[in-house]
Amino acid sequence: GAGVSQSPRYKVAKRGQDVALRCDPISGHVSLFWYQQALGQGPEFLTYFQNEAQLDKSGLPSDRFFAERPEGSVSTLKIQRTQQEDSAVYLCASSFSSGTGGKNEQFFGPGTRLTVL
Amino acid sequence: DAKTTQPTSMDCAEGRAANLPCNHSTISGNEYVYWYRQIHSQGPQYIIHGLKNNETNEMASLIITEDRKSSTLILPHATLRDTAVYYCIVPMDSSYKLIFGSGTRLLVRP
Repeated sequence: GAGVSQSPRYKVAKRGQDVALRCDPISGHVSLFWYQQALGQGPEFLTYFQNEAQLDKSGLPSDRFFAERPEGSVSTLKIQRTQQEDSAVYLCASSFSSGTGGKNEQFFGPGTRLTVL
Repeated sequence: DAKTTQPTSMDCAEGRAANLPCNHSTISGNEYVYWYRQIHSQGPQYIIHGLKNNETNEMASLIITEDRKSSTLILPHATLRDTAVYYCIVPMDSSYKLIFGSGTRLLVRP
């Protein structure tokens, strides 16, 4: 069956450009998460959606980062005016349920590697 | 901050059991222990989770001490494809937010 897919897999942007990263979660999954993974580090939480509602955006590093999931399925992470420190792998994950308690099995996509020159 | 402590790296021989420890001494009564792994250049992969009882699935076994302050992930017959970074995670207050920390880098030797 289809897992979580992300596109593009690789993105090179010049400093100051805007980028949009797409995530297609597993069909029927209620919860969707975005993480940022810097080189050599573990993934760090960015934001959480339950259906179309963005319930937590506490991990977004700045107001240049914006995420949406308008119809409760596909999600887009947008980064405006990219900076070199935004270079990282951006991971998307989805979960069948709310993701709390003993139901926090998250399925991850392969990630998008963003390089800002 | 992550609520768990893991060794930075470990290694084991192919075909042998790999036992990965994790300390979570401040765990609360309703908080679960989750294990994920990340193979190089891939997204993290869920392995197993537990609350109090030991758990086993097709990938691994999870042994949780009676006081729940530590646990061990067991890969019964490690293969070269099990080489990865293994993360022990205790979501705070059983929330959805996974805090990965640094994990244990497991190298399975031929």
